[in-house]
Amino acid sequence: DTAVSQTPKYLVTQMGNDKSIKCEQNLGHDTMYWYKQDSKKFLKIMFSYNNKELIINETVPNRFSPKSPDKAHLNLHINSLELGDSAVYFCASNQGLAGGYQETQYFGPGTRLLVL
Amino acid sequence: EDQVTQSPEALRLQEGESSSLNCSYTVSGLRGLFWYRQDPGKGPEFLFTLYSAGEEKEKERLKATLTKKESFLHITAPKPEDSATYLCAVRTRSGGSYIPTFGRGTSLIVHP
Repeated sequence: DTAVSQTPKYLVTQMGNDKSIKCEQNLGHDTMYWYKQDSKKFLKIMFSYNNKELIINETVPNRFSPKSPDKAHLNLHINSLELGDSAVYFCASNQGLAGGYQETQYFGPGTRLLVL
Repeated sequence: EDQVTQSPEALRLQEGESSSLNCSYTVSGLRGLFWYRQDPGKGPEFLFTLYSAGEEKEKERLKATLTKKESFLHITAPKPEDSATYLCAVRTRSGGSYIPTFGRGTSLIVHP
């Protein structure tokens, strides 16, 4: 069974469009994350939610808006897509508040976004 | 600003040729150093967490060590299936949260 799943796996769209990426985890974790991995494989945290509450919000344009309808889901909506948004977006989850020790993050398979 | 530097960027080994990957860091208040493995087209997979200098962890052919300034991932007698990108991340405290900062990874290829 998939622990952390993301949809879609691939997303090709035009500049200026609005798109959403969905993430679900069936591990019973209460903390979820969005990461962006650029073309040089640099992985950078964007957001983190704990029990549907935003706890980490790194320097990310306002065009990116995360939403957590419940603790098993964390979606990412992107408005007015730009060329520089092209990247792989990873969802991750772990048990315990992001500040807790000894938690292991489980990553999803990634969503490959290409903005043309 | 917290910095994580991994070296080398890429490493090619023959099967059975042991080597080490380096992760050096400059952070204020380390709250854990993590090693992940990432296969092409997949998400990172957790390998180890180290918390204090002198700590070591092992898993099959991999052994991770930690000092106050760097961590090493030692690969003993690697096999082709060890080929992957190995990512290092440090976690530091920022306000009431803990922020992970990743290095750019070392791409390892093990030839049969």
